Order: sequence, then structure tokens, then C-alpha cells
Amino acid sequence: DAKTTQPNSMESNEEEPVHLPCNHSTISGTDYIHWYRQLPSQGPEYVIHGLTSNVNNRMASLAIAEDRKSSTLILHRATLRDAAVYYCNHVTSGTYKYIFGTGTRLKVLA
Amino acid sequence: DSGVTQTPKHLITATGQRVTLRCSPRSGDLSVYWYQQSLDQGLQFLIQYYNGEERAKGNILERFSAQQFPDLHSELNLSSLELGDSALYFCASSDAGLAGVGELFFGEGSRLTVL
Repeated sequence: DAKTTQPNSMESNEEEPVHLPCNHSTISGTDYIHWYRQLPSQGPEYVIHGLTSNVNNRMASLAIAEDRKSSTLILHRATLRDAAVYYCNHVTSGTYKYIFGTGTRLKVLA
Repeated sequence: DSGVTQTPKHLITATGQRVTLRCSPRSGDLSVYWYQQSLDQGLQFLIQYYNGEERAKGNILERFSAQQFPDLHSELNLSSLELGDSALYFCASSDAGLAGVGELFFGEGSRLTVL
């Protein structure tokens, strides 16, 4: 099964950029990297995904290492509403097991 | 609103009982996923269905079972409940086809409390 490694927690000041790292050393060439976040008392929500190239959307940017063994989710200006648990994951090709790791709990300081 | 509906939102029951959790996926989504999240724990993948067929199974207990019906809604059945089964149960749906996994849309969850 796919395995990802993330720091348990991180802190950031409001309106500063945040870089959330993820190691996914078991990734194969066709696995997409996905990021989700879970706000308190809510179900997880999709943030961003990518395969090889860096990706940007209205919520965040995703930087993928050249060897694809790691990625970084970038929140350009953290707000208090970004305080959540952030999960990165990938699906091992052919298994369809969408497994989440333990995630990083992001605390944003006012 | 993700478009995924889960019922009931809250459920309190006793040990040894059986409950059924229901999930209606987003319109058109063929894939349904079930997850369990215990207090302060991560999301544990239970099972996935695609267009009525079981496609992947995680660490789902034998006391738990699920199915996806022709109208694509899914039910998760939990039997012989134990205190440790108390958790949030999430359903997610996806429009990804057989080729892979697309974006997952999660419901708000069903909170099960076993006393």
C-alpha cells in the first residue's frame, strides 16, 4: 500500500507563506499526488493534485520534486481559516486503495 | 456543499447492536469510498465500490460490510458493535473511471457512538 510521511504539526504566522512537506518514496511513475485538508468538524476537502509538473490553483501551489519522491504544498498567505490537518497521498497503481497518512496539523497564529 | 449526502449525521447505540450508514454520492459519480476516523486519528480506508462492484478493500473488520446499489447509493453495515467502533464514518465519491482515482468529494460524516 502507498505510504506517505508528513510532519505531525507545523505552525505559521498569519499572512505568511507555509510550506508543507510530504515524502512519498513508494510512488510509481503513474501515481498522481493528491493533497486534501480537513477543517475542524468537517470532512476532508480536495486541495490540489499533480503528476510531474508544479501546479497552481486558487487554493494553493504544489511543488513536486524531480524524482517525485516528495512534494510540497505551498499556501502563499496563510489565514486563520487555513488551520486544518493537511493530508498528502497517492494511489498505488492498480490497487485503487486511496490511503491517507496521518497528516500535518497546521496551526496559524494571529 | 460537496454534493455527497450521509445519513444519519449522529447515531448512538449500544454494544452488540447493528447499524446501517447510508451514503448518496454526487450525481454521476460511480465510485464510493468509506473511511473510519476515530478520535484524533487519521482516516482509515475501509472499502471502495465502483458501479456496484467492490474494487478495493482496506482494513475493514469482518463485522463490517458494505454494498453499492444500482442507483449508486451505498450502505455500510456495522454489526456486533463494540465500544471501539465509536468513530466518524466518512463516505466519499469520485467521478474517476476504471483508469484511476480522481478528486474525492467527502460527505460530512456519520458520527457513531457506541455505549
